[in-house]
Amino acid sequence: GAVVSQHPSWVICKSGTSVKIECRSLDFQATTMFWYRQFPKQSLMLMATSNEGSKATYEQGVEKDKFLINHASLTLSTLTVTSAHPEDSSFYICSARRDGRNEQFFGPGTRLTVL
Amino acid sequence: GENVEQHPSTLSVQEGDSAVIKCTYSDSASNYFPWYKQELGKGPQLIIDIRSNVGEKKDQRIAVTLNKTAKHFSLHITETQPEDSAVYFCAASKDTGFQKLVFGTGTRLLVSP
Repeated sequence: GAVVSQHPSWVICKSGTSVKIECRSLDFQATTMFWYRQFPKQSLMLMATSNEGSKATYEQGVEKDKFLINHASLTLSTLTVTSAHPEDSSFYICSARRDGRNEQFFGPGTRLTVL
Repeated sequence: GENVEQHPSTLSVQEGDSAVIKCTYSDSASNYFPWYKQELGKGPQLIIDIRSNVGEKKDQRIAVTLNKTAKHFSLHITETQPEDSAVYFCAASKDTGFQKLVFGTGTRLLVSP
């Protein structure tokens, strides 16, 4: 149990386009999901906390208009990188916190490359 | 806010040896401490966790110890195997609010055959 999937696993896009990444908890409900980005050989940096049915909470320095988060159901959260630029290229990872528990389970990540 | 420090940044051991990774945290209100293993190109995988009401927890070759007074916790891997080679992250969070995880900087473990 406690499986989290992400789609796509990798994406290459042109500068200026938007990219949507999906995060799903497959076998449990997750009112709260988290989005991280990770640069090579670095730790995970929390971008935002996503709560089902309400607005996401963004960490300091993360542009909410650039990284749009939607958490429409108890098993799905999406991150849309709008008007992507090469500096947005990174490994984006989501996690889901199982309702009633403290553990976070991570997805396999999405590698975004912006040309 | 919470700050988590992790040492060492790299650790090389021979197969069969033990490996120990240490973390310290700053916020005494933190009460949940998970450890994650991340293989290249993959998401982190929860391998063990501990809560502040427990001093030690074991799961086969993996154990975690917690010293609340000193605000540090450690991951112990015994009888290491080459497949244990990965980056390990510690983290800390509280049971209240959004329960955000604050991660350490990671330890790259290399187990040589």
